[in-house]
Amino acid sequence: GAGVSQSPSNKVTEKGKDVELRCDPISGHTALYWYRQSLGQGLEFLIYFQGNSAPDKSGLPSDRFSAERTGGSVSTLTIQRTQQEDSAVYLCASSSDLGGYEQYFGPGTRLTVT
Amino acid sequence: GQQLNQSPQSMFIQEGEDVSMNCTSSSIFNTWLWYKQDPGEGPVLLIALYKAGELTSNGRLTAQFGITRKDSFLNISASIPSDVGIYFCAGQRANAGGTSYGKLTFGQGTILTVHP
Repeated sequence: GAGVSQSPSNKVTEKGKDVELRCDPISGHTALYWYRQSLGQGLEFLIYFQGNSAPDKSGLPSDRFSAERTGGSVSTLTIQRTQQEDSAVYLCASSSDLGGYEQYFGPGTRLTVT
Repeated sequence: GQQLNQSPQSMFIQEGEDVSMNCTSSSIFNTWLWYKQDPGEGPVLLIALYKAGELTSNGRLTAQFGITRKDSFLNISASIPSDVGIYFCAGQRANAGGTSYGKLTFGQGTILTVHP
């Protein structure tokens, strides 16, 4: 079956521009997560959506970052006025139950801010 | 944000050798997970541990959830070239209701190189 998909796979943007990253979770999964992975580092939690509950935004590094999830499925992560320190791989994961321990990851979007 | 302390940072071993890596935390986790990441890919779940003291195997992989809930280790036996990659531990806490809460906290990763 189809796994988590993300687009684009690579994005190069100029400093100060806005970018949108897309995540399509596994069909039927109720929970969706965004993580960020800087070069040579572990994954850093950004935001978590669970069903119709208010999202957990506690990991967003600044107010330039936002995310939404439409119709309980597709999610978009938006970064406004990008900075060079935003360069990283942005990974999306989904899971099928409230516990969420079995999170399945997409391939990620590599963002480079020049 | 907080990260788990994962060691070693990297390992260079000969094919056929056994490998061990571990993660420690200053706080308790409800669930421990181990992931493997290949270049250009997202992490793939290897083993999930749900109870303190639990020892779980998946083929040549064995992982344990520490009794204190503050640590976990992963062993790989008889390594093969395709074991090459980055291994991450991840912990998940319980919410007020006692069920595991979705957000994962990751270790810094162990880079494994296997020489044929």
